[in-house]
Amino acid sequence: EAGVAQSPRYKIIEKRQSVAFWCNPISGHATLYWYQQILGQGPKLLIQFQNNGVVDDSQLPKDRFSAERLKGVDSTLKIQPAKLEDSAVYLCASSFRDRNWELFFGEGSRLTVL
Amino acid sequence: KNQVEQSPQSLIILEGKNCTLQCNYTVSPFSNLRWYKQDTGRGPVSLTIMTFSENTKSNGRYTATLDADTKQSSLHITASQLSDSASYICVVGRTGGFKTIFGAGTRLFVKA
Repeated sequence: EAGVAQSPRYKIIEKRQSVAFWCNPISGHATLYWYQQILGQGPKLLIQFQNNGVVDDSQLPKDRFSAERLKGVDSTLKIQPAKLEDSAVYLCASSFRDRNWELFFGEGSRLTVL
Repeated sequence: KNQVEQSPQSLIILEGKNCTLQCNYTVSPFSNLRWYKQDTGRGPVSLTIMTFSENTKSNGRYTATLDADTKQSSLHITASQLSDSASYICVVGRTGGFKTIFGAGTRLFVKA
């Protein structure tokens, strides 16, 4: 089966600019996650979708971050305006009930904010 | 508070040696525990997953153990290879399906 696809792999922007990341989960996976991983740390959940609906966005900085999942398939994560501390890898993952909610990750999108 | 703590933070071993990584958790209600391997610049990849009733699970040279009573897990790597150099992340799932709590990971360096 095809894996989780993410783009772009790398992005460099200046602070106060905006950026968007795209994710296409594994076909049939109803649950989609966006994680932020700062260098040397474990992934931190930003937002979790179940089909179209948001299950958990408690750690999403809503003043600057937004995410949507149209039609319950692919998803976009946007940051506007970016801050220096947003420099991180943004990982998308998907899961499926019958696989015991095992997380399948994409390769990530590395963001550098200058 | 639901937490997952891993130790050591980093580890350096010689190629061919064995090593054991630790994971302690306070997640409740417990559903499952997973170990992921994350190569530099890549997304995490699942190594093992264990539910409450399982106390050991192997994947090649990787063997994970789970003690649900003490809420501890370990990942044992046998005959390490240079390609084992990576971060190993312990992830605990809560009952109810969706919720997972990540550890900070152990960074393993295997030297020739």
